[in-house]
Amino acid sequence: DTGVSQNPRHKITKRGQNVTFRCDPISEHNRLYWYRQTLGQGPEFLTYFQNEAQLEKSRLLSDRFSAERPKGSFSTLEIQRTEQGDSAMYLCASSLGPRGAEKLFFGSGTQLSVL
Amino acid sequence: AQSVTQPDIHITVSEGASLELRCNYSYGATPYLFWYVQSPGQGLQLLLKYFSGDTLVQGIKGFEAEFKRSQSSFNLRKPSVHWSDAAEYFCAVGAHDMRFGAGTRLTVKP
Repeated sequence: DTGVSQNPRHKITKRGQNVTFRCDPISEHNRLYWYRQTLGQGPEFLTYFQNEAQLEKSRLLSDRFSAERPKGSFSTLEIQRTEQGDSAMYLCASSLGPRGAEKLFFGSGTQLSVL
Repeated sequence: AQSVTQPDIHITVSEGASLELRCNYSYGATPYLFWYVQSPGQGLQLLLKYFSGDTLVQGIKGFEAEFKRSQSSFNLRKPSVHWSDAAEYFCAVGAHDMRFGAGTRLTVKP
């Protein structure tokens, strides 16, 4: 068990550019979550996959955001035409078990700064 | 709609003193409740969780929490705080999507 891995750890970009983050969950976990965390706040739910199917998306996830989980393994989160308000820590978590009741294992996150 | 409130943004306690972090939730049914800890540069780690049954749950690192339905609370406690407990603590309620509180930052004085 190597834990949940996120890359890159930090990303600095200019407003209007596209960015992509990657998350590698714990290998046997079938569920994968993306959260966003801003300074002084708790994580906010963005989206959730069960295997390769994206089952839920938050209203926070505008059409500039897209997430994929091909083959039910790693996941990518892409933000198009970044805005300064997108600056945040993007957290990935994975789990195995009943929906809503399971223990989430979190990665260390990708810190995005939009200049 | 489900929500979590952590009334204390920042708490300072002396090493060896007892600790209680407050959490209030809003949820229509019996909630799944969690406490997570986040240390700088590290991912969130689960301390403990409550699903049903005994309302006093034990977690890792000597933490415990008590579910009180009448008060809609799930407060986290530790009898004696260690310097290594300094971190950000998040209460969360799980259902269709996990909702986190804004967190309480714990500072431990030597």
